[in-house]
Amino acid sequence: ETGVTQTPRHLVMGMTNKKSLKCEQHLGHNAMYWYKQSAKKPLELMFVYNFKEQTENNSVPSRFSPECPNSSHLFLHLHTLQPEDSALYLCASSQGLAETQYFGPGTRLLVL
Amino acid sequence: AQKVTQAQTEISVVEKEDVTLDCVYETRDTTYYLFWYKQPPSGELVFLIRRNSFDEQNEISGRYSWNFQKSTSSFNFTITASQVVDSAVYFCALSNQAGTALIFGKGTTLSVSS
Repeated sequence: ETGVTQTPRHLVMGMTNKKSLKCEQHLGHNAMYWYKQSAKKPLELMFVYNFKEQTENNSVPSRFSPECPNSSHLFLHLHTLQPEDSALYLCASSQGLAETQYFGPGTRLLVL
Repeated sequence: AQKVTQAQTEISVVEKEDVTLDCVYETRDTTYYLFWYKQPPSGELVFLIRRNSFDEQNEISGRYSWNFQKSTSSFNFTITASQVVDSAVYFCALSNQAGTALIFGKGTTLSVSS
């Protein structure tokens, strides 16, 4: 596999479910990011990790919990979500924090 | 504060027409980076170009060209002889030297019909 991959590509969950989104980058990058893309809003940065350490949390509700076990993998754990959390969740990676970010295909999430 | 404005929400053209997508940015930083990304219906954001604030040279890549003008805080994107495959949402983005976050515009949806 090359580039940035995300699984699953589509996810439907109820408000009481717990699920996780997975992102994996095969580019040898050190920084990874989670973005949220809603229908009527610009892309919003959620979290930033650099060398496995979280460097930014953009005031994201605690029902979203990121995990970065190593520089190649990034997870977003979801718990007790709301319908307004339905969106496209995009993962990205970059060599360093000031470098070009490369995006995965996204996970399209629907919360019922 | 940093901000990116893409005033054109939707543009429709016919194949072979040239089209320019506008991007205006705001930043107080002297060092910053500007980007264009393409998002086809599949959803993945595809990187097109990165330009730093000290490089005002225009760039051409095939049918794509970019015009960076610091005097007007603009970074416009032109597609020459558009094709149906160019149909997508195009995002302009800005980051500062620290590069922790990309600030995206709201995107311009380009529809190219045959």
